[in-house]
Amino acid sequence: DVKVTQSSRYLVKRTGEKVFLECVQDMDHENMFWYRQDPGLGLRLIYFSYDVKMKEKGDIPEGYSVSREKKERFSLILESASTNQTSMYLCASRPHDKRGRTGELFFGEGSRLTVL
Amino acid sequence: QKEVEQDPGPLSVPEGAIVSLNCTYSNSAFQYFMWYRQYSRKGPELLMYTYSSGNKEDGRFTAQVDKSSKYISLFIRDSQPSDSATYLCAMYKGGKLIFGQGTELSVKP
Repeated sequence: DVKVTQSSRYLVKRTGEKVFLECVQDMDHENMFWYRQDPGLGLRLIYFSYDVKMKEKGDIPEGYSVSREKKERFSLILESASTNQTSMYLCASRPHDKRGRTGELFFGEGSRLTVL
Repeated sequence: QKEVEQDPGPLSVPEGAIVSLNCTYSNSAFQYFMWYRQYSRKGPELLMYTYSSGNKEDGRFTAQVDKSSKYISLFIRDSQPSDSATYLCAMYKGGKLIFGQGTELSVKP
């Protein structure tokens, strides 16, 4: 089974703090994604990566950055956390479209971040 | 207008009921259609996957796609309390998956 592991399930941070959210997948997937999930808004794509050291902005990248130094690891960084970044953050991965069902994502269990 | 629209509910039904969950979309470029199920405090998991118009069945679940109307549905027969979850439709185009807002379903014993 594919396993996507998010290191922190629950975090509480203060406004202005730097926050790191870590994600590791064990299925050698090329593509990795960070979403945030908010009531009434569904899942919104923050950043994604097609390969090591590559990153692409999603729909709501402002206030976030990412790092992909190794294939299995994709980190989301909040340089200076703000209260409007309180949310559930979901990491996902999938192989290139030739290997498996196109578009199918495998999600981690989520990291619930509260910024005070 | 959002590319994918889904009624967020919440939807509450008695055990054994037939449940109908729906999404509409505006972009005819969507190629693949999925339903994800998300239990409380968990990440979403793929439930159904389809790429053409018509019906696809998997046990008590049926996914229906009508590309001409830009409408997809998920039907759950003989619903169980264990089906209580949030159901998210998702559609794929150009390397990205676009999600609906999710419908929260509660099946009461």
